[in-house]
Amino acid sequence: DAGVIQSPRHEVTEMGQEVTLRCKPISGHNSLFWYRQTMMRGLELLIYFNNNVPIDDSGMPEDRFSAKMPNASFSTLKIQPSEPRDSAVYFCASSLLGQVTLAGGLSSYEQYFGPGTRLTVT
Amino acid sequence: QKEVEQNSGPLSVPEGAIASLNCTYSDRGSQSFFWYRQYSGKSPELIMFIYSNGDKEDGRFTAQLNKASQYVSLLIRDSQPSDSATYLCAQESAGGTSYGKLTFGQGTILTVHP
Repeated sequence: DAGVIQSPRHEVTEMGQEVTLRCKPISGHNSLFWYRQTMMRGLELLIYFNNNVPIDDSGMPEDRFSAKMPNASFSTLKIQPSEPRDSAVYFCASSLLGQVTLAGGLSSYEQYFGPGTRLTVT
Repeated sequence: QKEVEQNSGPLSVPEGAIASLNCTYSDRGSQSFFWYRQYSGKSPELIMFIYSNGDKEDGRFTAQLNKASQYVSLLIRDSQPSDSATYLCAQESAGGTSYGKLTFGQGTILTVHP
């Protein structure tokens, strides 16, 4: 398997422009996670999907951010309009949720991360 | 308040020594804990997970979990320069509708010098 695929790997855009990040999860995985990583805030979960349905979007910073997962093999994270403070590395990860029980409860197994998209907003 | 706390370091150890990385968490209901390693410019990769009190060993790595004290640690024996990376501790949400959700600490930078 090719692993989690993200595109583009680097994106430089001007403030106010729309940015779309793309992710293809590992085939057969049922959960997909979008993270943002910065030096100041570390690795933060933005949103995650289970079976293409958004489960928790409490980490989405504001209405400028939106995410979709139209099918099991594709997801997008869109920022409109972009701002300099959105500059970060955005990771997509996928896992097989609910397939492994730990300590008697449903749990995720390993989350596999994509290579990330480095976004710079000027 | 950050739910998962780590000493950001940097932690510097000589080659061959034991590196000890620590993490505390606030969610008492959390069952599972993970250690990820992230090389500079790369994505995180899982190296250990633990859900029972006590120790779990895998090669040179040992994860320790103490639920009463709410801390998790990672020991790296016989540290090598190739272990130099940022180590991220993560806890899994304790059920409800957010099972599978991981909360990460800030990460500890480890440098192993020859």
